[in-house]
Amino acid sequence: DQQVKQNSPSLSVQEGRISILNCDYTNSMFDYFLWYKKYPAEGPTFLISISSIKDKNEDGRFTVFLNKSAKHLSLHIVPSQPGDSAVYFCAASGTASKLTFGTGTRLQVTL
Amino acid sequence: KAGVTQTPRYLIKTRGQQVTLSCSPISGHRSVSWYQQTPGQGLQFLFEYFSETQRNKGNFPGRFSGRQFSNSRSEMNVSTLELGDSALYLCASSFRGLLNTGELFFGEGSRLTVL
Repeated sequence: DQQVKQNSPSLSVQEGRISILNCDYTNSMFDYFLWYKKYPAEGPTFLISISSIKDKNEDGRFTVFLNKSAKHLSLHIVPSQPGDSAVYFCAASGTASKLTFGTGTRLQVTL
Repeated sequence: KAGVTQTPRYLIKTRGQQVTLSCSPISGHRSVSWYQQTPGQGLQFLFEYFSETQRNKGNFPGRFSGRQFSNSRSEMNVSTLELGDSALYLCASSFRGLLNTGELFFGEGSRLTVL
């Protein structure tokens, strides 16, 4: 039972354009959402998060949007840079002390 | 300060053997979590330890176990290895764990191959 879903396994975007990564969840008890970025041979690194009391959080080129009614969140990267090429994991947490991750979206930013 | 350190980074085992992986969290962090990453499955939660107590456990068989020491270092053990246990095992630490919605800091992982 995949409670956090990233339906696009891969995404290719031109440098300078916007990258939009999507994530859906099914568990209404989730109240905190995070995005992690992972390069090959490295562990995931925290990128940005959002609490369920907000619908938007912005940090530089990265913005996360949360639509609670649709149980959907998205990560926008503007402008996309070649160094953003990585696997992006969406994650959610509720009352338990654990994160539930999606399967990841591989972003490739082309020149 | 030093990040999360996992050892060994790579290891190869055969079916039926057992393996122990080690994780040293960031200094001052008391929560250590373990995740398994396999292709197509993302990262799946194994267990979380806080102050030497297992606070939460994922849906893995009893062959997967762990512990945490008084210095917050953690080990996980997998007994009677199966081919499907081949994966990247990631350890993550945080100051208080996700009960306070703190982010996790991950190590580089231990890649286990079971032949």
